[in-house]
Amino acid sequence: GQQLNQSPQSMFIQEGEDVSMNCTSSSIFNTWLWYKQDPGEGPVLLIALYKAGELTSNGRLTAQFGITRKDSFLNISASIPSDVGIYFCAGRVDRDDKIIFGKGTRLHILP
Amino acid sequence: DTGVSQNPRHKITKRGQNVTFRCDPISEHNRLYWYRQTLGQGPEFLTYFQNEAQLEKSRLLSDRFSAERPKGSFSTLEIQRTEQGDSAMYLCASSLVRTEAFFGQGTRLTVV
Repeated sequence: GQQLNQSPQSMFIQEGEDVSMNCTSSSIFNTWLWYKQDPGEGPVLLIALYKAGELTSNGRLTAQFGITRKDSFLNISASIPSDVGIYFCAGRVDRDDKIIFGKGTRLHILP
Repeated sequence: DTGVSQNPRHKITKRGQNVTFRCDPISEHNRLYWYRQTLGQGPEFLTYFQNEAQLEKSRLLSDRFSAERPKGSFSTLEIQRTEQGDSAMYLCASSLVRTEAFFGQGTRLTVV
């Protein structure tokens, strides 16, 4: 079946650093989504991407839809403590499809 | 609060018991999804409804699991004869057709 591979699995950074994480797939997706999940909460949508090559920002977050439609990345600039959490990429083939999630990248910020 | 509401937030049950979870979607959202998330994993799709019709079920949804959405409003997910492997966070999400889904806070099930 379709699978999304996220890397890295976890990151330990200093406050103020920039963060980069990515997501790859063996098959094509026509929508890429990035979610953040805090402990004990449901995922919250951060950015949605609908076109290959699209680059979209949401505050300090920037995500890109890969040209091959098999990958996407998320960058966070100038990290702050509230950025701690799990970041999931998710993909969908058709707009009517359910979304498939990766296993997540856990972001930790060192004091 | 007009977001997706899930009840209960936590449920502890003994193995072999039946449990039922409820999801109230955002008003007027015609699509409703159920996902399951185990520790260290991303959410896995279980099933979804458009209005009252259940349109797709994952192979993860064994015959012990049943989901309903009577009248196309709230939905229930029932697990019969619970097993320890059913311990997970059960997430509900809702959307309009062809728009992105909003997730609830989930119901954490622990089977002891």
